Amino acid sequence: GAVVSQHPSWVICKSGTSVKIECRSLDFQATTMFWYRQFPKQSLMLMATSNEGSKATYEQGVEKDKFLINHASLTLSTLTVTSAHPEDSSFYICSALTSGISGELFFGEGSRLTVL
Amino acid sequence: AQKITQTQPGMFVQEKEAVTLDCTYDTSDPSYGLFWYKQPSSGEMIFLIYQGSYDQQNATEGRYSLNFQKARKSANLVISASQLGDSAMYFCAMRERNYGQNFVFGPGTRLSVLP
Repeated sequence: GAVVSQHPSWVICKSGTSVKIECRSLDFQATTMFWYRQFPKQSLMLMATSNEGSKATYEQGVEKDKFLINHASLTLSTLTVTSAHPEDSSFYICSALTSGISGELFFGEGSRLTVL
Repeated sequence: AQKITQTQPGMFVQEKEAVTLDCTYDTSDPSYGLFWYKQPSSGEMIFLIYQGSYDQQNATEGRYSLNFQKARKSANLVISASQLGDSAMYFCAMRERNYGQNFVFGPGTRLSVLP
């Protein structure tokens, strides 16, 4: 199956710093990528839809200025958590959509962010 | 309203036995796709199986099969011959054609396979 790589897997940062998470589709071009946040023992919560070459579409309640998403190429989307605070600590997962009507969603390995 | 319902927060199954994980969905879109993903403790989401709303036959992928009952709006995952490595969270998801490309996920079911 398709491969999506997410980096870094783990990140610990101080409060007030910014953290960038990368999501790459390694063997296919993804015009659309999704960013999810997952709290412990809960399901995935969609944060935003990232479309190559255009602004991301954010879900209600997600701060655009806090979670900056850039999808500059067909194989790379980045999520930057700006001025991170302890409440931003979470598991962030990206996914990339393959083309076609029955497009499949392939996920990155996830990034666990801990803000001290 | 919940679009995807998974009524079993946790399930136990004996190794080598079959287990069914329930999933019901709600949509008025005639065209949709149903997916099952596995999430082990490592956190990665692993695609298991796909069923399209117009597919006539139930999807199968190795030990995984999907019991698709369209009239009941259910898409239960059946895992045959359970293995210890099957212990994980399992998420049912739906993608509706008329609602773009977003996938909606259910709350998940934690499966524990007992030796």
